[in-house]
Amino acid sequence: ETGVTQSPTHLIKTRGQQVTLRCSSQSGHNTVSWYQQALGQGPQFIFQYYREEENGRGNFPPRFSGLQFPNYSSELNVNALELDDSALYLCASSLQRLAGELYEQFFGPGTRLTVL
Amino acid sequence: KQEVTQIPAALSVPEGENLVLNCSFTDSAIYNLQWFRQDPGKGLTSLLLIQSSQREQTSGRLNASLDKSSGRSTLYIAASQPGDSATYLCAVRHNNDMRFGAGTRLTVKP
Repeated sequence: ETGVTQSPTHLIKTRGQQVTLRCSSQSGHNTVSWYQQALGQGPQFIFQYYREEENGRGNFPPRFSGLQFPNYSSELNVNALELDDSALYLCASSLQRLAGELYEQFFGPGTRLTVL
Repeated sequence: KQEVTQIPAALSVPEGENLVLNCSFTDSAIYNLQWFRQDPGKGLTSLLLIQSSQREQTSGRLNASLDKSSGRSTLYIAASQPGDSATYLCAVRHNNDMRFGAGTRLTVKP
């Protein structure tokens, strides 16, 4: 069984640029969530995708967008990067069998984004 | 709005001690609560998951309890070891949103 993987591991961008982060879900999982973790803080929920549809979103602006593909892998896109976007970005996958049922989340190692 | 608080923010103990980490949350309408471990610069490792209908879960030297009515959870670590040094995070799940505390940074000294 393959765990959750993320790429790249580290990324450096400049303010105003756009970035795409990638996540491969754990085998058999159909739900993926993305989180932003600033230094010294707990992760903040960005959004969740279930069967290729966004079905939950935290308090993040529209320049944070995502996609989930038929194989349940996912992308997080951030446009017009700001200095405060520097953080560790984590994705987590889980298996949701029925609507409203929430199962244990398994996290990837994260992508460290630095915005200069 | 759900707020999750973890106390203490940092804890240093000698090897072999039993210890308790605390987590509190403001909205008791949670689906589950999960405890994680995070090593510096790394992702999160799930330790224990407690469903809202459960009172506690155990795994090896770890025991987590949940009191939904009072909005509290504790993580008990028995016979602590230097390898337990990490940041411990609790997170509560409500609908499709998971809210995390800021974590407790644990150092176990040999």
